[in-house]
Amino acid sequence: KAGVTQTPRYLIKTRGQQVTLSCSPISGHRSVSWYQQTPGQGLQFLFEYFSETQRNKGNFPGRFSGRQFSNSRSEMNVSTLELGDSALYLCASSLEGLAGINEQFFGPGTRLTVL
Amino acid sequence: GESVGLHLPTLSVQEGDNSIINCAYSNSASDYFIWYKQESGKGPQFIIDIRSNMDKRQGQRVTVLLNKTVKHLSLQIAATQPGDSAVYFCAEANSGGYQKVTFGTGTKLQVIP
Repeated sequence: KAGVTQTPRYLIKTRGQQVTLSCSPISGHRSVSWYQQTPGQGLQFLFEYFSETQRNKGNFPGRFSGRQFSNSRSEMNVSTLELGDSALYLCASSLEGLAGINEQFFGPGTRLTVL
Repeated sequence: GESVGLHLPTLSVQEGDNSIINCAYSNSASDYFIWYKQESGKGPQFIIDIRSNMDKRQGQRVTVLLNKTVKHLSLQIAATQPGDSAVYFCAEANSGGYQKVTFGTGTKLQVIP
């Protein structure tokens, strides 16, 4: 069974631009979560999607948004990029997450650099 | 590879010794706790979890201890191997909050051959 895949793996953008990152969960997994990882702030929860609906949201500004498609694939978008958005963006999928917490499987991440 | 934390606390352990990594969690309402291992260039990998109705859980070479009174979690790795070298994160969640998981800052484990 293939793991969680994220594309692209590396991305360089300039301030003010926008970016879209993609995540394909493990087949059969319906929950997709996004995290931002930086040396200073560590791993921070962005949002979680289940059956195309955002169920949970972390404390990030509205510039960060996401969506989930009917095949459970998810995208996150960051608009008006700032230097501080440079980070490793991780996607994690789990089987259901409805009746409690299920084990999350992480992808390798997308390294975003904002110049 | 990726550098996931330039200022992480570091634990250096001799190969074959036992390692103990500690973590303090913040939310007394959390009822589910997880340990993750992150190697350079990879995403976090699940190691072991524990629910708040337990105080100890064992896996293969790993044991997690939970002390709810002082909101403390520890991960014990028996017979540490070079392949255990990585950054270890504890995480907490509330089962009512679905997948909203809060991660700790991480500890870098260095295994000395």
